[in-house]
Amino acid sequence: GAGVSQSPSNKVTEKGKDVELRCDPISGHTALYWYRQSLGQGLEFLIYFQGNSAPDKSGLPSDRFSAERTGGSVSTLTIQRTQQEDSAVYLCASSQRAGTNSPLHFGNGTRLTVT
Amino acid sequence: AQSVSQHNHHVILSEAASLELGCNYSYGGTVNLFWYVQYPGQHLQLLLKYFSGDPLVKGIKGFEAEFIKSKFSFNLRKPSVQWSDTAEYFCAVNPDTGRRALTFGSGTRLQVQP
Repeated sequence: GAGVSQSPSNKVTEKGKDVELRCDPISGHTALYWYRQSLGQGLEFLIYFQGNSAPDKSGLPSDRFSAERTGGSVSTLTIQRTQQEDSAVYLCASSQRAGTNSPLHFGNGTRLTVT
Repeated sequence: AQSVSQHNHHVILSEAASLELGCNYSYGGTVNLFWYVQYPGQHLQLLLKYFSGDPLVKGIKGFEAEFIKSKFSFNLRKPSVQWSDTAEYFCAVNPDTGRRALTFGSGTRLQVQP
């Protein structure tokens, strides 16, 4: 079975441009997470979707960041007016069910470079 | 808010050496604890987890971790490392209530020399 799929794998963009990052979770997984991995800073939580519930957006660093999840499956993370500090690896993960003890399955990430 | 500290940022060991990676968290209530591993060029994957019961948990590839509640710690151990254990290791925690997303530590890069 396919794992979590993210696209593109690499994205280079100019400062001020908007970017969209895509995540296809594992089929049947109800929870979907976005994290950001910066050099030496571990994984920073961005946003979490669970079924039809309102997403937990508490980790989004600014209003330039937004995400949606259509039909309870595919998710898109959008960064508007990108800044150089947005450069990082953006990781998506999904888990099978609600609950804090359901392990996360990660994608390979999208490496974003803002020039 | 909870936080996770991994004090060892980069560890270099020779094969067959013993490994212990520290992980401390800040949260006073019941927690779920995890170690994830990222091998070079691969995605993050679960190494082991603790929810309740025996505080010594065993994971894949001979790894184990011990939950010591009084010390707010969940250190990762392996008696004898192999070159193939070269990877980055992340400790993660979330409370048993509230937010469902894990809080991760900053990671420890382990380099095993043959």
